[in-house]
Amino acid sequence: DAKTTQPPSMDCAEGRAANLPCNHSTISGNEYVYWYRQIHSQGPQYIIHGLKNNETNEMASLIITEDRKSSTLILPHATLRDTAVYYCIVRVGNNDMRFGAGTRLTVKP
Amino acid sequence: GAGVSQSPRYKVAKRGQDVALRCDPISGHVSLFWYQQALGQGPEFLTYFQNEAQLDKSGLPSDRFFAERPEGSVSTLKIQRTQQEDSAVYLCASSLGASKETQYFGPGTRLLVL
Repeated sequence: DAKTTQPPSMDCAEGRAANLPCNHSTISGNEYVYWYRQIHSQGPQYIIHGLKNNETNEMASLIITEDRKSSTLILPHATLRDTAVYYCIVRVGNNDMRFGAGTRLTVKP
Repeated sequence: GAGVSQSPRYKVAKRGQDVALRCDPISGHVSLFWYQQALGQGPEFLTYFQNEAQLDKSGLPSDRFFAERPEGSVSTLKIQRTQQEDSAVYLCASSLGASKETQYFGPGTRLLVL
């Protein structure tokens, strides 16, 4: 079973920030939080990952709460091409990643 | 550089046929993973290779599913005597190292069993 909980869907206006929440209340101290997204008919695309500290790259920012029980992925200026299913994943082990159902983000003009 | 590639992109099989799905990982990547994604669901882990060694096959749903990576690069996922419930997208991912490295996914092979 996935160790994360995400809302099934969200809408965002084009040009605005998209804030995607994820709960992972049972996360262990050495488990990373990963975010991927999947655009229709494509394979999942890596976005960002973090352990304790907030992270930022060219695609997004990841905010992890101090107790590490939840996190938020921020797309600062959403575009129509950001419409996708976003997966929040806690790495269970060295090998497989446990994807849940994800959040379907729809960016609207 | 080149990413993970998979072939064929689409495969239609009659129930009972055997199919073989190919994955070309990113050059130099040690780890290779196969996932199965049913319609409307997230990907589910099938199996994992480190070089040519299959270290985890706990996600393979039945003994009809077989994966190999004989030379530690290209991998093939074979499904024998396909059933309708095998219809899904089969995703391959690779990562550079052997421990909690970021996985990069291919576009997937969409299998439809009639």
